[in-house]
Amino acid sequence: EAGVAQSPRYKIIEKRQSVAFWCNPISGHATLYWYQQILGQGPKLLIQFQNNGVVDDSQLPKDRFSAERLKGVDSTLKIQPAKLEDSAVYLCASRRAYRGVSYEQYFGPGTRLTVT
Amino acid sequence: DAKTTQPPSMDCAEGRAANLPCNHSTISGNEYVYWYRQIHSQGPQYIIHGLKNNETNEMASLIITEDRKSSTLILPHATLRDTAVYYCIVRVNSGAGSYQLTFGKGTKLSVIP
Repeated sequence: EAGVAQSPRYKIIEKRQSVAFWCNPISGHATLYWYQQILGQGPKLLIQFQNNGVVDDSQLPKDRFSAERLKGVDSTLKIQPAKLEDSAVYLCASRRAYRGVSYEQYFGPGTRLTVT
Repeated sequence: DAKTTQPPSMDCAEGRAANLPCNHSTISGNEYVYWYRQIHSQGPQYIIHGLKNNETNEMASLIITEDRKSSTLILPHATLRDTAVYYCIVRVNSGAGSYQLTFGKGTKLSVIP
C-alpha cells in the first residue's frame, strides 16, 4: 500500500511570496489533515477534511492560508503572502474513516518551508 | 482533549527495554491514549492506542494504570532505529469516526549503543 505523498519536499521563498503544497492521501482514505510543525514543537492541526468538505479549520490563519480538496482525493495548501514565522514543516495525514470505528492517521514525509 | 505531561528526554541502552511515561491526570472516561513517534525528518508514525486495558502489538506495549491517569509505552528491545520523539496524545472518541490529535512536545528517546 502506497503511503501519503507530498510535494515538494523542500521550498525556500522570500517573505510576501506565495507557495503551494500538494498532498495525495492513501487510496480510499476519506479524512485528510494538514498540520504545521515548527522546529522543536509537535505538529499543530491546521485543517481537517472529510471527503471534500471541511470538518474543522478553526486553527487555520485564513487571512493568508487556504486549503482545498476539490474531488475528495488530493489536497493543496496555499500560503499567500508568506511571513517569516511560516517557516515550518507542513505535514499531510490521512485516515480511513469508518462509522463507529477509529483508525490511526498516516502521515506523509512533510514539506519543509523556509521563508527568508 | 486532556493534557499530557511527558519528560523532555530519555536515554536507553540498545537491547534494553525502553519505558516511556506519560501523565494524563485529567483524562475523561471516553478518551483514548494514543502514542505516535517521529523519527528525524519523517512524519509521525502511529505506534499503539488504548482505552482501559493494556495493549500489545508488534511494535510496543501500552500499560494504562487502573485510574487511567497515567500510562507507559514499552519498547521491549530498543534498537538504534527507535531513536525518535515519542508523543503521548489523549483524544476524545467522538463516536462518529472523526477525531483530532493534539500533539505536545513529546519525549526525545535516544538509544545508546
